[in-house]
Amino acid sequence: GAVVSQHPSRVICKSGTSVKIECRSLDFQATTMFWYRQFPKQSLMLMATSNEGSKATYEQGVEKDKFLINHASLTLSTLTVTSAHPEDSSFYICSARETGGPLHFGNGTRLTVT
Amino acid sequence: GIQVEQSPPDLILQEGANSTLRCNFSDSVNNLQWFHQNPWGQLINLFYIPSGTKQNGRLSATTVATERYSLLYISSSQTTDSGVYFCAVGETSGSRLTFGEGTQLTVNP
Repeated sequence: GAVVSQHPSRVICKSGTSVKIECRSLDFQATTMFWYRQFPKQSLMLMATSNEGSKATYEQGVEKDKFLINHASLTLSTLTVTSAHPEDSSFYICSARETGGPLHFGNGTRLTVT
Repeated sequence: GIQVEQSPPDLILQEGANSTLRCNFSDSVNNLQWFHQNPWGQLINLFYIPSGTKQNGRLSATTVATERYSLLYISSSQTTDSGVYFCAVGETSGSRLTFGEGTQLTVNP
C-alpha cells in the first residue's frame, strides 16, 4: 500500500532556531500534500495545503512566514518552522493521497522547543 | 466549513466487549476515513468509506451518506484496541480531511 515517510520523528531545538521537516511519498506521486498540527489531547488541525510547483495554501490563523512550505517535487514536501518558540512545540503530521484513494499519513514529528 | 462530531468522547470497556463509535457530519462528503491513533501518535488507516459497509477482521464500518453519519464497530475488543479513534471527512475526493475530536477508547484487561 501507499507509504508516506516523515523525518525526523522527534526533534528538540532551542528557541529562535529553525527546524525542517520532510515528508515523502515513497511509492506514488502526490501533487498535493497536507500538513496538520496536533496539540496534546486535541484533534488534528490542518495548517496548509502544499501544491507541487506552486505556493502553499495556508489555513486562517497560520502564519505563512513562520511555517514555510516547499513542494519542489511530486514526492517531497518540506515544512520549515522558522524562529521556533516554545508555543510551536507540537506534533506535526503530513499526509498525501494516491489519485482516487484515501489520504495516507506520515508517522509525525514531535517538536519540542526549549 | 464542514463540521464533524464524534461520540462518545470517551469510552471504557472490558476486554471482550463490543462497541459502536459514531461520526456525524454537517454536509455532503465524498471522502470519509476512520483512523486509530496509537500511543506513539501514528495514525493507522482503518477504513476509507465514503459510503456503504466494509469489514476488516473485528472491525467494521458503515457510512450512510444521505443521512450524514458513519459508524465504526469494534467487536471482541482487546487491550491493543486502546487509543484515539478519529473520523475525518472531505467534501471532494481530492480535498483535505477535516477531523472530528476523536473518541478515546480504553480497553481494560
